[in-house]
Amino acid sequence: NAGVTQTPKFRVLKTGQSMTLLCAQDMNHEYMYWYRQDPGMGLRLIHYSVGEGTTAKGEVPDGYNVSRLKKQNFLLGLESAAPSQTSVYFCASSLGQGARGAFFGQGTRLTVV
Amino acid sequence: AQTVTQSQPEMSVQEAETVTLSCTYDTSESDYYLFWYKQPPSRQMILVIRQEAYKQQNATENRFSVNFQKAAKSFSLKISDSQLGDAAMYFCAYKRASQGGSEKLVFGKGTKLTVNP
Repeated sequence: NAGVTQTPKFRVLKTGQSMTLLCAQDMNHEYMYWYRQDPGMGLRLIHYSVGEGTTAKGEVPDGYNVSRLKKQNFLLGLESAAPSQTSVYFCASSLGQGARGAFFGQGTRLTVV
Repeated sequence: AQTVTQSQPEMSVQEAETVTLSCTYDTSESDYYLFWYKQPPSRQMILVIRQEAYKQQNATENRFSVNFQKAAKSFSLKISDSQLGDAAMYFCAYKRASQGGSEKLVFGKGTKLTVNP
């Protein structure tokens, strides 16, 4: 049981380049999330999805887009990367019943130079 | 907006001793959930313990327990018999109950715990 898998685990981008981070979960969870983690800032919610075909903005959505075409996948896109988007990105998923807590992927360390 | 504050950026404890990590939160909601997550150097976020605000009994998971003081909006984590493997960043997190099934979490900035042999 893989849980939540993020691809890639590391990436270096040049300013202005685009990329997509892929998150896949095999737990049949309805809800999926993208967070970013910056030093001294904790984790902050970028976007989330409450089901296939739905997306919603979180706390820090600017500069990112997301898509949930399949229930098991949640994609995070950066159209024109900026140095301020250098961060560790976490995908998470949850069942949606009660407050069991979310399951997290291992994170993607993204550096924008 | 809800906020979560962890006032101790770093803590240290001797192996086999007990340590308490502090967390306070600000909310106008009466029903919510609180969590402690552990992040070891591997970066993986691991759920340690959770507390439902409507339950007065403090949650316990093996060596981990919480002291939940709803009136004071305080949610501290106690680690007993500390082990080297407990060394990690610990994050306190809050979730409104009224947001249904989604787990939109508000995190504190974390406390780095060092365990000394």
